[in-house]
Amino acid sequence: QSALTQPASVSGSPGQSITISCTGTSSDVGGYIYVSWYQQHPGKAPKLLMRDVSNRPSGVSSRFSGSKSGNTASLTISGLQAEDEADYYCSSYTSSSTVVFGGGTKLTVL
Amino acid sequence: EVQLVQSGAEVKKPGQSLRISCKGSAGSFTKYWISWVRQMPGKGLEWMGNIDPSDSYTKYSPSFQGHVTFSVDKSITTAYLQWSSLKASDTAMYYCARLSGINWFDSWGQGSLVSVSS
Repeated sequence: QSALTQPASVSGSPGQSITISCTGTSSDVGGYIYVSWYQQHPGKAPKLLMRDVSNRPSGVSSRFSGSKSGNTASLTISGLQAEDEADYYCSSYTSSSTVVFGGGTKLTVL
Repeated sequence: EVQLVQSGAEVKKPGQSLRISCKGSAGSFTKYWISWVRQMPGKGLEWMGNIDPSDSYTKYSPSFQGHVTFSVDKSITTAYLQWSSLKASDTAMYYCARLSGINWFDSWGQGSLVSVSS
């Protein structure tokens, strides 16, 4: 199972919006609603940001939103803040009943 | 609040065995699967597999099948990740995480750093 494809890096200025894409296949992202997103700050454990494509867990800022079209899922962060600078990973359930992560995207807040 | 507390950093030589642990909360330990996730230095997250603490049923990623073993001890609400013969390429941070839905992990351990070098 190959990793899902994410851009290696994205950047934006405070207050702006950015979108991180996550591309898979019909056997993972395209075939299920079971796409989740994680935020990881340096030296810390990942934190769940989004589950089932667009559902935010309690406590996660409404500035984070998720969507999916075909084999590509997306995470959008609006009103970018300095604290959003981190690595972001998508994850999907697969047709083999396994889980696959994306390669990760480093977000830089300019 | 759900907490997963992992064992500390380990330094091992190639060929040695190792078992690291992940202690969960007493009230909910057997209700959710535990997953293990590898993060090699400077790299991304890799799903290694899951274990059902209620019956020890396991699902391994093909990439890790045969090289690692998952186990649990329900009596002390602890999950384990074990190697019988470490390789230098096993050097990584290993996280345990609670699988709350089909594929989302809502609680993570703090990570266990494993270093393998001759």
